[in-house]
Amino acid sequence: EVQLLESGGGLVQPGGSLRISCEASGFTFSTYAMSWVRQAPGKGLEWVSLFSFSDIRTYYADSVKGRFTISRDISRNTLYLQMNSLRAEDTAVYFCVRRAEGAPAHFDYWGQGTLVTVSS
Amino acid sequence: DIQMTQSPFTLSAFVGDRVTITCRASQTISGWLAWYQQKPGKAPKVLIYKASSLASGVPSRFSGSGSGTEFTLTISYLQPDDFATYSCQQYYDFPYTFGQGTKLEIK
Repeated sequence: EVQLLESGGGLVQPGGSLRISCEASGFTFSTYAMSWVRQAPGKGLEWVSLFSFSDIRTYYADSVKGRFTISRDISRNTLYLQMNSLRAEDTAVYFCVRRAEGAPAHFDYWGQGTLVTVSS
Repeated sequence: DIQMTQSPFTLSAFVGDRVTITCRASQTISGWLAWYQQKPGKAPKVLIYKASSLASGVPSRFSGSGSGTEFTLTISYLQPDDFATYSCQQYYDFPYTFGQGTKLEIK
């Protein structure tokens, strides 16, 4: 059974940093592209970043480019999102998402999310 | 960036109704579109991918159609469990983008 378990969310001050994690299980982590999608309170879904294992490339939304870094540790089956220079508008639930096999491909499994709150 | 526009923003319907939600892309995305269902406090769940392919385990009352820039999600016989928010997403090009969501409410 595919499982994605996010952790590391919390309250951080504007300008601060936070790293969130996603532990994956139930599939071969190294063969799937993984992504982060966020949802601000009461708002729609916003794609944030993607790590493509096949060509070791990373992709970012313009809203986070230069501030966020996606990475993975295959030995730990874990995906990370390092978030720096956080702003109030980064407040959201962050979902860890698996992209289905092949590309282009949709998101086929989602974690339950971790809440990041940026506030003083 | 490719903009995804859904309509309507909210939709009220009865159990047993047939409803359709529309998603328009600002440029062609071929058939690289997915539909997700989300309930309050829960993660989204994929219903349809590649515009018209039914995801595993999804009831056949859900269907998708379209290509290019205009797509639809149809629920043929609404069940109480179907009242949720539905979002489309293009994965034709980066940045991936979602529609703003359509909230389906019980009448």
